[in-house]
Amino acid sequence: AQTVTQSQPEMSVQEAETVTLSCTYDTSESDYYLFWYKQPPSRQMILVIRQEAYKQQNATENRFSVNFQKAAKSFSLKISDSQLGDAAMYFCASNNAGNMLTFGGGTRLMVKP
Amino acid sequence: KAGVTQTPRYLIKTRGQQVTLSCSPISGHRSVSWYQQTPGQGLQFLFEYFSETQRNKGNFPGRFSGRQFSNSRSEMNVSTLELGDSALYLCASSLGLAGAVEQFFGPGTRLTVL
Repeated sequence: AQTVTQSQPEMSVQEAETVTLSCTYDTSESDYYLFWYKQPPSRQMILVIRQEAYKQQNATENRFSVNFQKAAKSFSLKISDSQLGDAAMYFCASNNAGNMLTFGGGTRLMVKP
Repeated sequence: KAGVTQTPRYLIKTRGQQVTLSCSPISGHRSVSWYQQTPGQGLQFLFEYFSETQRNKGNFPGRFSGRQFSNSRSEMNVSTLELGDSALYLCASSLGLAGAVEQFFGPGTRLTVL
């Protein structure tokens, strides 16, 4: 079984600043995938970034990047140059095969103008 | 290309009733997964269908069931509703079963059980 833990229920960041959201996971699988999803107040969940566990290089998508520490089972999300539109719930998730995602409890990110 | 659609968007039922929720995946997507989202339990996986076959099932009672049709549309059914079934039910579709494949989520159906 996989577990995903997000220890920060709420975070805030000043517009244009950088913020890091934490995530730890536990899995017995050797091959797995990690994701960060964003759920804005409109409720439509969208994928922010994904990481294949076999890849050592950290994934990057524009202002979003991850710090993947496989040995520590840590998968944090860094948002650079934060924008008001980044305000949302962020969920860390994992799966090993198929489409059965295991989600963390979420972090509510507030962006202050 | 149209996104994942879910109907109805809002639903109010009373305890003991049953309910059917519908999900239409993105055209060409053959995998549909369902999730329950509540403030207390967070996001929990319900089940996944691929080519009309249930591939995985989460830890939910038998009152929760689902199916997928030949056009990939999916329905989930909850019988004998309980107050605790009040939740946002999310459907997600994807092209295939590979673990890294992106899942596209619908807007959800908000179910309230009175």
